[in-house]
Amino acid sequence: QKEVEQNSGPLSVPEGAIASLNCTYSDRGSQSFFWYRQYSGKSPELIMSIYSNGDKEDGRFTAQLNKASQYVSLLIRDSQPSDSATYLCAVNQDSSYKLIFGSGTRLLVRP
Amino acid sequence: GAVVSQHPSRVICKSGTSVKIECRSLDFQATTMFWYRQFPKKSLMLMATSNEGSKATYEQGVEKDKFLINHASLTLSTLTVTSAHPEDSSFYICSASWTTINNEQFFGPGTRLTVL
Repeated sequence: QKEVEQNSGPLSVPEGAIASLNCTYSDRGSQSFFWYRQYSGKSPELIMSIYSNGDKEDGRFTAQLNKASQYVSLLIRDSQPSDSATYLCAVNQDSSYKLIFGSGTRLLVRP
Repeated sequence: GAVVSQHPSRVICKSGTSVKIECRSLDFQATTMFWYRQFPKKSLMLMATSNEGSKATYEQGVEKDKFLINHASLTLSTLTVTSAHPEDSSFYICSASWTTINNEQFFGPGTRLTVL
């Protein structure tokens, strides 16, 4: 069974710190990896996608992918209280357009 | 770009009625649309995948006769919850994708259904 695992949290960090969110996946055939942010009562919003090993940076966000170890992470620099949300990791294979979602990690940034 | 709308955003209905939810891609043509439901504090559960002009593919355990999906055009998909019951109360979210963008899915704002 294809699985995507995330620590449910909450992960609590002070404002200005780096928040590190991790995700592991079971299917070695996975090719595309996504991080979504979901505020309470709202739908997910795509914040990062990554397809090859290494780091990908976009503003305060950095996604890291290690296919050999089957993990993908998201770093949020200079965390702000507005970053407080649930972060969903999603994975899919080339042969399928379906996304497999993790259960999400709740991030709390303390002012 | 990549904006997806959903209507209605919130609906309250009596048990036994049917509810239709629309999902539209506003600025791109969506070859594939997905329907999810989400219970409080839980992750997204994929219900079905629909491609324009063909029948939807339902996930295991999802009743296709209860959750009718129509994907009549490249910008519109509808989900009809037939004979709704209180246990169908949930947050229903659609997403849309066009394949040239590495399978990224863009989500609509969701529809909160409450069945009394």
